[in-house]
Amino acid sequence: EPEVTQTPSHQVTQMGQEVILRCVPISNHLYFYWYRQILGQKVEFLVSFYNNEISEKSEIFDDQFSVERPDGSNFTLKIRSTKLEDSAMYFCARQGEGAETQYFGPGTRLLVL
Amino acid sequence: DAKTTQPTSMDCAEGRAANLPCNHSTISGNEYVYWYRQIHSQGPQYIIHGLKNNETNEMASLIITEDRKSSTLILPHATLRDTAVYYCIVHAGNQFYFGTGTSLTVIP
Repeated sequence: EPEVTQTPSHQVTQMGQEVILRCVPISNHLYFYWYRQILGQKVEFLVSFYNNEISEKSEIFDDQFSVERPDGSNFTLKIRSTKLEDSAMYFCARQGEGAETQYFGPGTRLLVL
Repeated sequence: DAKTTQPTSMDCAEGRAANLPCNHSTISGNEYVYWYRQIHSQGPQYIIHGLKNNETNEMASLIITEDRKSSTLILPHATLRDTAVYYCIVHAGNQFYFGTGTSLTVIP
């Protein structure tokens, strides 16, 4: 099945800066997810997004995080004021057709200095 | 939290079958068994999933025991490109819970 693409592939930012990570679905899907993976650790769920609303979020997804689909296509994850511990790989995923299978993008590597 | 137990690491000779076990003794009746793999910090790649019956696709086979408390992922002819971390996940609903997986090394 077609995957999602993510931009940028790498992002370096200063602590306290805002970053926006983007997920571009190949076709018009409604169900999206964000996960993160800190180096050497597990893949962790952040948030799920269905039909332009958050359907579930984890404890990690605090007020510093937000998601939206501003133009009906791109799906974004915003971190308002980055912290050193936000350094991680961030993966977007979409739900497959007629099933609960999730298909992951290649990820964005975020480094906060 | 992850509801599965997998060996930390395994080796397999190139060209041989790789059999990756997974225990999920507390699986619920509506939960599927999913397998993903992750190659060196790339995005997790879907491999296969099943509920009760054994499944096969172009990548692998999934054998689920009759009591559904364990399963085995089989890569029939492992290649060097199959070296990855393999995650067994029981899933129903929204998010996937990734554990630490099995690090499979395919040896030439």
